[in-house]
Amino acid sequence: AQSVTQLGSHVSVSEGALVLLRCNYSSSVPPYLFWYVQYPNQGLQLLLKYTSAATLVKGINGFEAEFKKSETSFHLTKPSAHMSDAAEYFCAVSEYNNNDMRFGAGTRLTVKP
Amino acid sequence: IAGITQAPTSQILAAGRRMTLRCTQDMRHNAMYWYRQDLGLGLRLIHYSNTAGTTGKGEVPDGYSVSRANTDDFPLTLASAVPSQTSVYFCASSVGTGVNEKLFFGSGTQLSVL
Repeated sequence: AQSVTQLGSHVSVSEGALVLLRCNYSSSVPPYLFWYVQYPNQGLQLLLKYTSAATLVKGINGFEAEFKKSETSFHLTKPSAHMSDAAEYFCAVSEYNNNDMRFGAGTRLTVKP
Repeated sequence: IAGITQAPTSQILAAGRRMTLRCTQDMRHNAMYWYRQDLGLGLRLIHYSNTAGTTGKGEVPDGYSVSRANTDDFPLTLASAVPSQTSVYFCASSVGTGVNEKLFFGSGTQLSVL
């Protein structure tokens, strides 16, 4: 079955620094990949998704992710962190549809002033 | 536009009791989902419904049941709660089940089973 592994349960960066959240996936077919963000006491919101078009995917709030098949990775980046980026980020993989989507354990991003 | 409404927001429940978590959406989405979120495990799908009148089992369905009598409502029932069901429960919906159909999430229900 498909799965994702998020490296690092907690990442801390300074405001203005590069954000890099790591995600590696496992799938028996070409995957669909997603990044979701969860702010405190809220449900998840979609940041971006890869569905076999361009390998570099741009999302909301200045985030982007690159699909690298050779590395089975889909890391999330943002050039300059903002205080409002502090949240929990989840990587997810799907092989066919929303019913088989699998989420990673999440990475909590802290942004220091 | 309310989107997805979950109730209650939080609940403390004695083990062995029956509990129904409510989920209502006003977006006329066909597909609905129930997830549980646990620290270190992320979100796991409990049950889903592709359209009114149909339901399916997700990754962790044991101990839970659902029904989908109409498009808007998708209640999740714990027939006899156990402490391992302590979790945050999220309801979600999407227009369809394809991967291009964005998931919309509710704000969650914090459930503690003692």
